[in-house]
This record gives sequence, structure tokens and C-alpha cells, in this order.
Amino acid sequence: AQSVTQLDSQVPVFEEAPVELRCNYSSSVSVYLFWYVQYPNQGLQLLLKYLSGSTLVESINGFEAEFNKSQTSFHLRKPSVHISDTAEYFCAVSDRNSGNTPLVFGKGTRLSVIA
Amino acid sequence: GAGVSQTPSNKVTEKGKYVELRCDPISGHTALYWYRQSLGQGPEFLIYFQGTGAADDSGLPNDRFFAVRPEGSVSTLKIQRTERGDSAVYLCASSPQPWGVASEAFFGQGTRLTVV
Repeated sequence: AQSVTQLDSQVPVFEEAPVELRCNYSSSVSVYLFWYVQYPNQGLQLLLKYLSGSTLVESINGFEAEFNKSQTSFHLRKPSVHISDTAEYFCAVSDRNSGNTPLVFGKGTRLSVIA
Repeated sequence: GAGVSQTPSNKVTEKGKYVELRCDPISGHTALYWYRQSLGQGPEFLIYFQGTGAADDSGLPNDRFFAVRPEGSVSTLKIQRTERGDSAVYLCASSPQPWGVASEAFFGQGTRLTVV
């Protein structure tokens, strides 16, 4: 079964600094990959996803993630963070070839942006 | 409605009692998922409906947990003989297609269940 490891449970970073949130998944089979974000007191929202094609995917608010098959990673990056990026970020994976498999989530990384 | 709606937002119950948690998915979404999120953890899959039928219930922890979706829209998650370990946020999500084709899933804000 798939598993997702988010290596950092908490990441504090100063405003306008770059950030990387790490995500590794367990299997080398073909996968779909996702990052979800949960702002304080809100539900989970899709931030970006990798389905196929270009290994670099971007969100509308400046985040990007790169699918690295050899390292089974899908790290999330932003070159300059804002206070409003403070939230919990979840990496998730589903098997591409296993029919209607549910998403498997990591434990989350809490990003705290400091003014 | 505009999004996935879950009621109640908070539920406190005594150990041993029965509870029902409701999920109203986005209109027209055929796929519906229940997840459970314990403190400090990511969402953990419970059950997936495609239409009225449970396509995958492998995540239900034991037979005290049951879910229905009789008309293919609203779903109810039922927990019998609640235990303190059932305390968590229960999340519902819906999508227009099954995740096997990787459509986006939309999550509700969850029901926070506390068993005392």
C-alpha cells in the first residue's frame, strides 16, 4: 500500500524568504500526486496536482512542485512567502493504475510565516 | 449549495452513545469520500461511494462504523457504541468523477467529534 512521508511537521520561515516542504511517497508505480492546503478554520483545498506531462506544476498563488520519479518525491516550493501562506500543507498520492483508489495523505507540514 | 456541507460542525457525545454525521456533497458529484483526521495526523481514508454503493469500505476501522448514501447524494456516517478513541475530525469530500481518473476532490470543513 502507498504511504506518504512529510519529513517536517513544522516549518517556520520569515516573510519573503523561500520555503521548501518535503514529500516522499513509498511506491515507484505510476502515481498521481497532490498538495492540499488547510488554512486556519477552513477545509482542505487543492493547491496543485501532477497527473502527467511536465514534471513541474504550479499553483495560482506562486507555489510549485516537481515530480521526481527516481527519488519518489514531490517537494513543494515557493521563492517568497507571505503571511497569508500560513497554513497546514498535506501531500497526497493515489495509484494511477489501480482503478478508483482513494488518496493517501501524509501527516502534514505546518508552515508558519513570521513577519 | 456552493460547496460540500457537513453537519454538525461539532458534536460532543458520551462514550457508548450512537452518533450520525451528515455530508451534503456538491450537486451532481457522483463520488463521495469519508476521511478521519486525528490530532497531528493527515486525513485517513474510511469509505468511498460511487453513486449509491460503497465502492471501497476498506478504511472503516471496525463494525461499529457504517455509512450510507441511499439516493446517491447525501451521505451519513454512523458510529455505534462510541469510544474515546473515535474522537477526531471527520471529513467528507466529493468529486465529479472517481479519483481513479484524478479529478479534484472538494472537501467539507469537517465535523469535530469529541467522545467524553
